Amino acid sequence: AQTVTQSQPEMSVQEAETVTLSCTYDTSESNYYLFWYKQPPSRQMILVIRQEAYKQQNATENRFSVNFQKAAKSFSLKISDSQLGDTAMYFCAFMNHNTGTASKLTFGTGTRLQVTL
Amino acid sequence: KAGVTQTPRYLIKTRGQQVTLSCSPISGHRSVSWYQQTPGQGLQFLFEYFSETQRNKGNFPGRFSGRQFSNSRSEMNVSTLELGDSALYLCASSFWGSGDEQFFGPGTRLTVL
Repeated sequence: AQTVTQSQPEMSVQEAETVTLSCTYDTSESNYYLFWYKQPPSRQMILVIRQEAYKQQNATENRFSVNFQKAAKSFSLKISDSQLGDTAMYFCAFMNHNTGTASKLTFGTGTRLQVTL
Repeated sequence: KAGVTQTPRYLIKTRGQQVTLSCSPISGHRSVSWYQQTPGQGLQFLFEYFSETQRNKGNFPGRFSGRQFSNSRSEMNVSTLELGDSALYLCASSFWGSGDEQFFGPGTRLTVL
């Protein structure tokens, strides 16, 4: 079974600054996906960024980038130029890569990020 | 394109009752997954349906069941409700399942009294 660990329950960052959220995972699989999801207060969960384990290049999406260290089983999220709208709960998640099979996400416990003025 | 919709958004039930929650996926999506979100246990996978077949199931008791219809809409049912079933129930849809981006609905907030 896979496990995902987020060791930072809460973080705070000032607007325009950079913040890094940590995530580690444990799996015996060699092919999988990793995700960061954002859940704003009272709003629905949306995908921030996705990383395929077989790709060595770190994924980036505008102000969001990841540092994927496969050997260390680490998958951190960096948010640059933080904005007030980034305030949310951030979940790291794992999914096995088996084409045509079930889409089961295993989530970490989340990091609550507060962006302040 | 319309997003994932879930009905009802809020439900209040009493112990021992049963409840049915509904999820309409994004048009064209054939995979629908259900998750339970609680402060204590976090986000936990319930089950996933693809083309009306359950492909995977999480570690929940048999009181939790689901089904999917030919139009990909899905329902989940919880029988003999317990206080611990109070949670936000989220559904997510995708085209094929594994590896696809999962699009989440707003959730159904179930309160069991």
